[in-house]
Amino acid sequence: AQSVTQLDSHVSVSEGTPVLLRCNYSSSYSPSLFWYVQHPNKGLQLLLKYTSAATLVKGINGFEAEFKKSETSFHLTKPSAHMSDAAEYFCVVSPRSGGSYIPTFGRGTSLIVHP
Amino acid sequence: DADVTQTPRNRITKTGKRIMLECSQTKGHDRMYWYRQDPGLGLRLIYYSFDVKDINKGEISDGYSVSRQAQAKFSLSLESAIPNQTALYFCATSDSAVGPPYGYTFGSGTRLTVV
Repeated sequence: AQSVTQLDSHVSVSEGTPVLLRCNYSSSYSPSLFWYVQHPNKGLQLLLKYTSAATLVKGINGFEAEFKKSETSFHLTKPSAHMSDAAEYFCVVSPRSGGSYIPTFGRGTSLIVHP
Repeated sequence: DADVTQTPRNRITKTGKRIMLECSQTKGHDRMYWYRQDPGLGLRLIYYSFDVKDINKGEISDGYSVSRQAQAKFSLSLESAIPNQTALYFCATSDSAVGPPYGYTFGSGTRLTVV
């Protein structure tokens, strides 16, 4: 069994300030973890993914996430928000071994960026 | 052209009507998925297919059916549409040949309204 919890449904920041989007997961198997972004009226785009290698994962557009097994977390961060970062963000967990590799999506966090 | 194409992009239909949403892909991926997105609920899996002869129910398959006509085509049908099937529907693909963690490629979505 697996599940993912995005701790905030909305996050509001000012342009130029840091972004933190929180994600906790549970999985019976070794997990793969992903962050996807959805801009208004668009499909989902992969931001970054965690394999079994480095625990700090760098993605596109300056985003990064750190896998912390002891805390079962995979929080998404960015040092300085841009207006174009305003979007819906989804944390996703999928088994890395065993199981059918079907991903489970979080409910999403809406990032609002103020000028 | 997009890697994963969904048609139609928008559709308004009446209660009780049969409607088909279509998905085609040029990625050459073997696995295809249909998801439904509702505000605050994230993406929920309706059906998935690991190859042409393999069809599996997801967590919310009631009221839906699918057809995998070819490796590149995966259609979702609502046999008798009802208003609570109003949602944004996404098709996605993944490639088992590359091994986990699988990345998923999403279409741009079909916005369905049942009146």
